[in-house]
Amino acid sequence: SAVISQKPSRDICQRGTSLTIQCQVDSQVTMMFWYRQQPGQSLTLIATANQGSEATYESGFVIDKFPISRPNLTFSTLTVSNMSPEDSSIYLCSVEGAGGPRTGELFFGEGSRLTVL
Amino acid sequence: AQSVTQPDIHITVSEGASLELRCNYSYGATPYLFWYVQSPGQGLQLLLKYFSGDTLVQGIKGFEAEFKRSQSSFNLRKPSVHWSDAAEYFCAARSGGYNKLIFGAGTRLAVHP
Repeated sequence: SAVISQKPSRDICQRGTSLTIQCQVDSQVTMMFWYRQQPGQSLTLIATANQGSEATYESGFVIDKFPISRPNLTFSTLTVSNMSPEDSSIYLCSVEGAGGPRTGELFFGEGSRLTVL
Repeated sequence: AQSVTQPDIHITVSEGASLELRCNYSYGATPYLFWYVQSPGQGLQLLLKYFSGDTLVQGIKGFEAEFKRSQSSFNLRKPSVHWSDAAEYFCAARSGGYNKLIFGAGTRLAVHP
């Protein structure tokens, strides 16, 4: 399984500011995924990030609010822009297993817990 | 629309008792099926997965799950629960390797001594 490191692990932010979350993987992967887990809720996919192309956003999520970078095959960032208390969530980075899309399984980082005051 | 349903939000069992967590899916064809566990303050860990073949799959930590096509179900079981199994359990499905993973709402498991 892939080892996924996220930074920061947690942060407290002020309303109106932006925060960038980093995701580093110990192996090259084609697709990286960003999920949001609101308090007491399940996981919702924000976007899929492929290296060298624009991220693909799910319904309800827009690039202006959640810009994503994918500069190489082991790294991605998610920025939460102009934060409000409703953005308080755990944000998780995810990648596919070593077998790629054929295996279907995803592995997750430990998440970045953001609290917006 | 594709969906995953976990009917039980909270389950409490006594340590040593058996456990079954329910999961139903709604897809046009049988998807890939997964169970993940999230311990407090932790990320998600994959417990087991089903792609095809044997309908009873074994996972880590003594868990198993049974796929039943006729019921569109993929229930998670463990014969004897340990206190360390207290966590949130998520069932998830993916219709193919290039499609998104959809999660159920999760079941929070509490274990009494």
